Amino acid sequence: QKEVEQNSGPLSVPEGAIASLNCTYSDRGSQSFFWYRQYSGKSPELIMSIYSNGDKEDGRFTAQLNKASQYVSLLIRDSQPSDSATYLCAVREEGGGSYIPTFGRGTSLIVHP
Amino acid sequence: DTGVSQNPRHKITKRGQNVTFRCDPISEHNRLYWYRQTLGQGPEFLTYFQNEAQLEKSRLLSDRFSAERPKGSFSTLEIQRTEQGDSAMYLCASSLGAVRDEQFFGPGTRLTVL
Repeated sequence: QKEVEQNSGPLSVPEGAIASLNCTYSDRGSQSFFWYRQYSGKSPELIMSIYSNGDKEDGRFTAQLNKASQYVSLLIRDSQPSDSATYLCAVREEGGGSYIPTFGRGTSLIVHP
Repeated sequence: DTGVSQNPRHKITKRGQNVTFRCDPISEHNRLYWYRQTLGQGPEFLTYFQNEAQLEKSRLLSDRFSAERPKGSFSTLEIQRTEQGDSAMYLCASSLGAVRDEQFFGPGTRLTVL
């Protein structure tokens, strides 16, 4: 059973702060990692994908991957109230021809003014 | 192209009725996925198509659920004899089909079974 664990939160940060969202996974064969943002009542929106150990930056977002420790994180710099949403971590194993990611339950982020 | 589209956006039905949802993927995407999501949970995989071939189906998927993707374009998901436990958001996603490809979700269909 592949598991992806996220703290459900809510994580509350003040506007302008750095929000740090964490995700751990159980399958050592995982090769692809994704962060989705989901506003209440809406569908998930892809923010970032990361495949190699280290950091990947895109605007205010930085994804960090450590395969040895089996965790992936998302940092949001200069957090804005509009960043308030649930952030879903998804993990996928590339081998065996399966392209199905396993999703975590998501972390609720609240950015307060 | 404006992305993945799903219809209807909302569906209210009575227990025991059949419902059908439609998904139109991004035009050049050859992979199409169906997920179900309930409150407080991440999307749960239901089934997946590569072109018109249904390649994978969740073991948790009841035989009341069936999906098709004729001609490798749009897909339909049918739920027969709906139960109250089927109430959820049904999400469709598509991807290009590369090895490290990314899935993009449609707006979802919210099903309520009374």
